[in-house]
Amino acid sequence: QSALTQPASVSGSPGQSITISCTGTSSDVGGYNYVSWYQQHPDKAPKLMIYDVTKRPSGVSNRFSGSKSGNTASLTISGLQAEDEADYYCCSYGGFSTSYVFGTGTKVTVL
Amino acid sequence: QITLKESGPTLVKPTQTLTLTCTFSGFSLSASGVGVGWVRQPPGKALEWLALIYWDDDKRYSPSLKSRLTITKDTSKNQVVLTMTNMDPVDTATYYCAHRPVAAAAQFDFWGQGTLVTVSS
Repeated sequence: QSALTQPASVSGSPGQSITISCTGTSSDVGGYNYVSWYQQHPDKAPKLMIYDVTKRPSGVSNRFSGSKSGNTASLTISGLQAEDEADYYCCSYGGFSTSYVFGTGTKVTVL
Repeated sequence: QITLKESGPTLVKPTQTLTLTCTFSGFSLSASGVGVGWVRQPPGKALEWLALIYWDDDKRYSPSLKSRLTITKDTSKNQVVLTMTNMDPVDTATYYCAHRPVAAAAQFDFWGQGTLVTVSS
């Protein structure tokens, strides 16, 4: 069971769009439409931003969107804002024995 | 309103057993489809899923830590307990419990504030 691979850092200017990738295998990301994304500010608990690849929980800005192609899921943040500066983690269902696996995490910096 | 809170020791010695309790409100762990999971995060590092218990007492563990983990629930007390044996300094981390909603997978919609556990002699 290996962690899903994310870029260590992504940056963008206010108003721009950025995309964070999350690469797994056919046993996790590619095998199920069960990928979620979490935002974590320093010293805070993670916050669910996207679930089931593309769905947004109530209260989450529509600037956040998710997608998946093959073994790679992606989180796009459009209209980047200062408050979006945080760490982001993907999570995928990995089947009966593995259950869940998180990504390596991506630090988003707003320039 | 769903809330969760972790409790337990802040410091444990190497080889000791860690016992953490998650006390929750706003939902019942006897409701069909619901689950409570544990996730940890070493300082400055990534999240790592540890274990999950379902409403029907079905349990899932991280394959890499399965031999050291036990998760149980006390529905009457609204608590979930995680034990981890043979603690090592590399197990130093903030431990979170989280709510898994009905009919969901890889989804934790409410989290506790986390509790930092340091393993040191």
